[in-house]
Amino acid sequence: DMKVTQMPRYLIKRMGENVLLECGQDMSHETMYWYRQDPGLGLQLIYISYDVDSNSEGDIPKGYRVSRKKREHFSLILDSAKTNQTSVYFCASSLSRAVSNERLFFGHGTKLSVL
Amino acid sequence: GEQVEQRPPHLSVPEGDSAVIICTYTDSATAYFYWYKQEPGAGLQLLMSVFSNVDRKEEQGLTVLLNKKDKQLSLNLTAAHPGDSAVYFCAVSNYGNEKITFGAGTKLTIKP
Repeated sequence: DMKVTQMPRYLIKRMGENVLLECGQDMSHETMYWYRQDPGLGLQLIYISYDVDSNSEGDIPKGYRVSRKKREHFSLILDSAKTNQTSVYFCASSLSRAVSNERLFFGHGTKLSVL
Repeated sequence: GEQVEQRPPHLSVPEGDSAVIICTYTDSATAYFYWYKQEPGAGLQLLMSVFSNVDRKEEQGLTVLLNKKDKQLSLNLTAAHPGDSAVYFCAVSNYGNEKITFGAGTKLTIKP
C-alpha cells in the first residue's frame, strides 16, 4: 500500500521520562530516517538507518538513539526527555542507498510535547 | 556541509495569481533537487525532482528552474488555487549521498 506509519500521533511526556516513537513501512525499503521539524528550521536529520542494525548519526543525534531490528520497523528513543526535544518528529523511508535520486516517503509525524 | 536557504518564509497570494519560492544552496557538487509539499497534519509529499543537468521542468502547473551558476532553485506555481495552500520545502542532495538537506519551508496561503 506504500505507506509509512508513525505511532503515536500525539504524545505528552514529563521531563526525564523515556520516550519511544515507532515507525513502520510496508514497502521493504532499506533506508529509513528520523527527522525533527521545528518552526523556522525545517527538517533536521537525527538518524539514518541503512538496514537492520546498520544505523548512522545524522546532524543532531545528541539525546536520541535508534533501533532497527526488522527492515520494516524503525524506532526513535529519547532516554530522559528534555523540554527542548519538544517538536514534531517525522519518519521517512527510501528504497536503497544504492539508488540515487530516490524520493522519500514520509509518515504523518508525531507531535511530542515534553513538559 | 551543505546549507540551504529558502525564502520567503511566508507567502500569501490571491487565487489565480502565481507564487514563487526560491532556494539557495552552497555546495557546487549538489546533484539532485527536490520540492516537497506538506499539508496540515500530514507528512511531506514529493512534488517534483530534477537532476543537475536540467534547467527547467514543468509539470501540472508547476515550474522548477535551476540556476547552477547562482546555486539557486525556484518553484513557480501558476494560477494558484486554494488547494495549493500548504508548506513547501526545497531539498538537495549529492551524488551517492543519501543525506538530503532541507530548506526551512515556505508557508503558502492562497486567498479565495
